[in-house]
Amino acid sequence: EVQLLESGGDLIQSGGSLRLSCAVSGFTFTNYALTWVRQAPGKGLEWVSAVTDSGDDTHYADSVRGRFTISRDRSKNTFYLQMNGLRAEDTAVYYCAKGHIERPTLWLDPWGQGTLVTVSS
Amino acid sequence: QSVLTQPPSVSAAPGQKVNISCSGSSSTIGNNYVSWYQHFPGTAPKLLIYENTKRPSGIPDRISGSKSGTSATLGITGLQSGDEADYYCGTWDSSQSSGVFGGGTHLTVL
Repeated sequence: EVQLLESGGDLIQSGGSLRLSCAVSGFTFTNYALTWVRQAPGKGLEWVSAVTDSGDDTHYADSVRGRFTISRDRSKNTFYLQMNGLRAEDTAVYYCAKGHIERPTLWLDPWGQGTLVTVSS
Repeated sequence: QSVLTQPPSVSAAPGQKVNISCSGSSSTIGNNYVSWYQHFPGTAPKLLIYENTKRPSGIPDRISGSKSGTSATLGITGLQSGDEADYYCGTWDSSQSSGVFGGGTHLTVL
């Protein structure tokens, strides 16, 4: 069974840093792109970032580019979202999701249960 | 404002059919596959449709997807109370090299 489990969400002050983790199991980690999506309180889903199967190519939403970094560690079957310069508007539930080919698409299945990041100003 | 435009809400009676539209551009829907998700607050989004029209295993055939030009549509027939949720379309934006979601549509089953 394919599973993704996020961790690392926390309450943090504006300007601070946080690293989210997504541990995956049940599939060959290095064969698929992986994606982060978030949902702010009362808002819709927002695509955040994605990384290709090899980890060589990364993509970011304009709202986080230059502040967030996505990466993957094949030895740990885990991928990460390093978030720096956090702002109040980054407050959201962050989901990780598995892609179905080597490059990022919006064909995402399954998703993790999410981890809450709260940025206080 | 989302790159993909969805109606904020739709409603229909149990047993009826509803369509949810998703409008984009040539750099989004026009040249990329569309996916659709069902989302209940506090839970993981669930994939309903991928590659415009395909259903993952376990998704009933009363759920359908279509695409024409720069727009896509999610159809749900035989509405049930359990279908009351938020629905999102998503696709790749070739001009931005990033993913995009619609603003979401809340479905109310009257």
